[in-house]
Amino acid sequence: EAGVTQSPTHLIKTRGQQATLRCSPISGHTSVYWYQQALGLGLQFLLWYDEGEERNRGNFPPRFSGRQFPNYSSELNVNALELEDSALYLCASRWTYQSSYNEQFFGPGTRLTVL
Amino acid sequence: SQQGEEDPQALSIQEGENATMNCSYKTSINNLQWYRQNSGRGLVHLILIRSNEREKHSGRLRVTLDTSKKSSSLLITASRAADTASYFCATDQGNNRLAFGKGNQVVVIP
Repeated sequence: EAGVTQSPTHLIKTRGQQATLRCSPISGHTSVYWYQQALGLGLQFLLWYDEGEERNRGNFPPRFSGRQFPNYSSELNVNALELEDSALYLCASRWTYQSSYNEQFFGPGTRLTVL
Repeated sequence: SQQGEEDPQALSIQEGENATMNCSYKTSINNLQWYRQNSGRGLVHLILIRSNEREKHSGRLRVTLDTSKKSSSLLITASRAADTASYFCATDQGNNRLAFGKGNQVVVIP
């Protein structure tokens, strides 16, 4: 069974640009989570999508947005990039209806660098 | 707010020794999970302990949970060089979100 995949592996942008990150969940998983892991700050919850809808959002500004497609893959968009957006962005998935314990399966991440 | 605070932050041990790390949290939880991260890559789920459980084992891992003290510990027995990683605890507060701590860096010296 293929795991969670993310693309690209690395992304370099300059301040003010937009970044788009992509995630494909494990087959059959309907929930996708996004996390930001900035140096020294641990994992910060960004967004949760389930069945195509945004279900929950972390404490991030509106320039962080995303969507989930009918095949349950997801995009994270970051507009008007700032230097502090440089981080590892992790995507995780789970099968909402199978597990009531919120065990999440993570992808390898996208390393975003803002210059 | 940041839930889950691991202590100590960094641990360096010899291969074969045991490694213990702790995690505290602030609110009621449904369960607590431990994850491992190798070299800034994705996280791997290690073990989950429910709020009504006190101890759980999985291979060389032993997790304890004390809900009265709002704390958990992860013990890795007979450590190996491959256990070198960052270890995160995450609490599930029942809102379909996981709140992660800042992680423990464990270095196992061969």
